[in-house]
Amino acid sequence: KQEVTQIPAALSVPEGENLVLNCSFTDSAIYNLQWFRQDPGKGLTSLLLIQSSQREQTSGRLNASLDKSSGRSTLYIAASQPGDSATYLCAVNDYGQNFVFGPGTRLSVLP
Amino acid sequence: EAGVAQSPRYKIIEKRQSVAFWCNPISGHATLYWYQQILGQGPKLLIQFQNNGVVDDSQLPKDRFSAERLKGVDSTLKIQPAKLEDSAVYLCASSFTAALAGESYEQYFGPGTRLTVT
Repeated sequence: KQEVTQIPAALSVPEGENLVLNCSFTDSAIYNLQWFRQDPGKGLTSLLLIQSSQREQTSGRLNASLDKSSGRSTLYIAASQPGDSATYLCAVNDYGQNFVFGPGTRLSVLP
Repeated sequence: EAGVAQSPRYKIIEKRQSVAFWCNPISGHATLYWYQQILGQGPKLLIQFQNNGVVDDSQLPKDRFSAERLKGVDSTLKIQPAKLEDSAVYLCASSFTAALAGESYEQYFGPGTRLTVT
């Protein structure tokens, strides 16, 4: 059974810092991995999706990497801003049949 | 492009009452998901539909939860009777699924329904 963990559970950084969020999964036989952002009281917004054949994806200040063999993905946020404050979740897709989410990392960027 | 629509946004009920949630996915998306998100946790998949057929409902508490997607478009999730531990946000998501290999299965989420059971 796939299990997904995220470290750290919470993170507080000053504005302008670069930061890394971590996601680990136990079964490397995945189809893809998706990073989401969730604002308080809101649904999830897709940030990046990495197919199992890819190593990384970039969108603006965000860069997500995937290392299937070690069961890890990282989300790198460059030059953080207060508007980046949210909970970041990763989800692993087991060949389209099941999505398993991690518990999330709660990020606070202080002005 | 319109996003995933859900209603109601908030619902407060007493335990043992029943409640229903509605979801309309993005047009053309064949796959629809219902998730339960308890405060402080990641979403947990309850049920996944492909058109109007169930792909996975292994984590759906079938003694009290039911879901349908009769015409392969919008969907309803029902809880009857509700328990205190059902208090959570219920999220609906959809994705475009094609028969060809290589489709991304990227999920798009609605705003969710926050349920409080007292």
